[in-house]
Amino acid sequence: QQKVQQSPESLIVPEGGMASLNCTSSDRNVDYFWWYRQHSGKSPKMLMSIFSNGEKEEGRFTVHLNKASLHTSLHIRDSQPSDSALYLCAARGTNTGKLTFGDGTVLTVKP
Amino acid sequence: GGIITQTPKFLIGQEGQKLTLKCQQNFNHDTMYWYRQDSGKGLRLIYYSITENDLQKGDLSEGYDASREKKSSFSLTVTSAQKNEMAVFLCASSIGLLNYAEQFFGPGTRLTVL
Repeated sequence: QQKVQQSPESLIVPEGGMASLNCTSSDRNVDYFWWYRQHSGKSPKMLMSIFSNGEKEEGRFTVHLNKASLHTSLHIRDSQPSDSALYLCAARGTNTGKLTFGDGTVLTVKP
Repeated sequence: GGIITQTPKFLIGQEGQKLTLKCQQNFNHDTMYWYRQDSGKGLRLIYYSITENDLQKGDLSEGYDASREKKSSFSLTVTSAQKNEMAVFLCASSIGLLNYAEQFFGPGTRLTVL
């Protein structure tokens, strides 16, 4: 029983399009959500984090969080081929401080 | 800024062999982690260390040992390698377990067991 569920498993969008990725925690004892991006053969790099209800925007990337449903989403506008990667969502345990990762969404941006 | 180095980059072992992976960070971070990533999957926490000389088990600690020799280094031992096992082991560090503490990752050690 995966505690952090990500959907879809894979996503193909055209260059310039919008990519929308989802993540939900089934463990209610979480407070912070992190989004990491991992290019093939590389290590994960933090993209954005969020802990308040609402949305946060940084350039082409927007993160939403609904704390009641423990659902977060990442939206990438004007997607570029360089955005093609595995996107990992992680939820931080409130009491433990540990991160639990989902299995990720593989995003492919077609030129 | 800082950097995390992991050695070796590739590790090939035999079934039943004891294998050691090493990690060094120069962020001066207190907390260090070892994760396992199977192909195309998420990260699973094996061990973490809140500070020097501390060790905490993660969700996947069975079959592994860890050692925090000093603040900057964290080692992971596979106690008995399993045949056909293939995974990438990622080391990470953060300033602590605080809610805003970003984890920084090393480049990984790719393990293959023959």
